[in-house]
Amino acid sequence: AQSVAQPEDQVNVAEGNPLTVKCTYSVSGNPYLFWYVQYPNRGLQFLLKYITGDNLVKGSYGFEAEFNKSQTSFHLKKPSALVSDSALYFCAVRRLMNTGFQKLVFGTGTRLLVSP
Amino acid sequence: DSGVTQTPKHLITATGQRVTLRCSPRSGDLSVYWYQQSLDQGLQFLIQYYNGEERAKGNILERFSAQQFPDLHSELNLSSLELGDSALYFCASSVAPENYGYTFGSGTRLTVV
Repeated sequence: AQSVAQPEDQVNVAEGNPLTVKCTYSVSGNPYLFWYVQYPNRGLQFLLKYITGDNLVKGSYGFEAEFNKSQTSFHLKKPSALVSDSALYFCAVRRLMNTGFQKLVFGTGTRLLVSP
Repeated sequence: DSGVTQTPKHLITATGQRVTLRCSPRSGDLSVYWYQQSLDQGLQFLIQYYNGEERAKGNILERFSAQQFPDLHSELNLSSLELGDSALYFCASSVAPENYGYTFGSGTRLTVV
């Protein structure tokens, strides 16, 4: 079944430095991959998605993600981190169900802490 | 404001009780999804509705039930509550099951004491 893994519980980075939040996927066929961000006491917010096309996907707030089929990865990146980027980040994959409908399956989340 | 409204924001109740969580999807969205977020289980898919009909079930306990009404709002009913049911419950909506972007509400924080 389609799934994603986020190997890091927490990522620490200094403001102004580039950041990477890792995600690997396990999918038969073409993966539909997503990144969401959750700020404290808020719901998840959509950042970006990969369905097909360019391997580098640009999203909200200056984030981008690189789809790498050979490494089955979909890492989230940002060239220069801001303190306000500190949040919980979730990778997700579309899973088709036998009803013909789909649902998103989320990873365990990675907490990003950006220090001033 | 994401457009998905969840009420109440906080709920404290005793074990054995029953509660109802409410979700109003974003205008125009026909699909509603319920997720449970807890510290030890992460974000778990519970159930999905599309235009009033149940379309998929995930890790939803038999003590839990949901429905989507003709006006498209949805309710999640949790009964015989246990301490372990304490969690954040999120509702999300999308235009249709084929639309891959979900809009999440701010969640209902349920505390069972």
